[in-house]
Amino acid sequence: AQSVTQLDSQVPVFEEAPVELRCNYSSSVSVYLFWYVQYPNQGLQLLLKYLSGSTLVKGINGFEAEFNKSQTSFHLRKPSVHISDTAEYFCAVSGAVSGGGADGLTFGKGTHLIIQP
Amino acid sequence: DGGITQSPKYLFRKEGQNVTLSCEQNLNHDAMYWYRQDPGQGLRLIYYSQIVNDFQKGDIAEGYSVSREKKESFPLTVTSAQKNPTAFYLCASSIGGRHYEQYFGPGTRLTVT
Repeated sequence: AQSVTQLDSQVPVFEEAPVELRCNYSSSVSVYLFWYVQYPNQGLQLLLKYLSGSTLVKGINGFEAEFNKSQTSFHLRKPSVHISDTAEYFCAVSGAVSGGGADGLTFGKGTHLIIQP
Repeated sequence: DGGITQSPKYLFRKEGQNVTLSCEQNLNHDAMYWYRQDPGQGLRLIYYSQIVNDFQKGDIAEGYSVSREKKESFPLTVTSAQKNPTAFYLCASSIGGRHYEQYFGPGTRLTVT
């Protein structure tokens, strides 16, 4: 079975400062990796995804993530955050075995990014 | 505008009643999913369907049922057997295949008292 760990449940950051949201996964097979963002009382929106190739992936809203196979990590970064980045961020994996369903995503518990003025 | 519609946004029910949550998509996607979200728990897969008239249990299917009679629709019924039904329910769809991203609806917040 696969699992995803988001080590930080909350990350407070000052506006215009850089931020890193951490994600580690465990899997015995090749995986596809995703980061989603959720604004209050809304659905999830895809930020970026890693399928193969370059380990540095760029997404929307200035976010990027780096896939590190040896450390089984897929950390999300932004060089300068804005107040509008306040949201819940979820890391997810999909692979040959994903939780109990062969075709669903396995999600981390989420990280609440809090931007302070 | 293509997308996923979930209705209603908020739903209130008395304990012991079955309730059906609607999910419709006009993205022409083959695969559809239902997730449950609880505070601090992330999203957990309830059911998924890769094609019309076929669906599979996810990690937490007990107390739930689904149908997939049309490509565009994947309703979820929360039965009285679900012990803790109060949650935020999210529907998603994708082209199909594990490397395609899933597109999410706005969610339905179900409160059972």
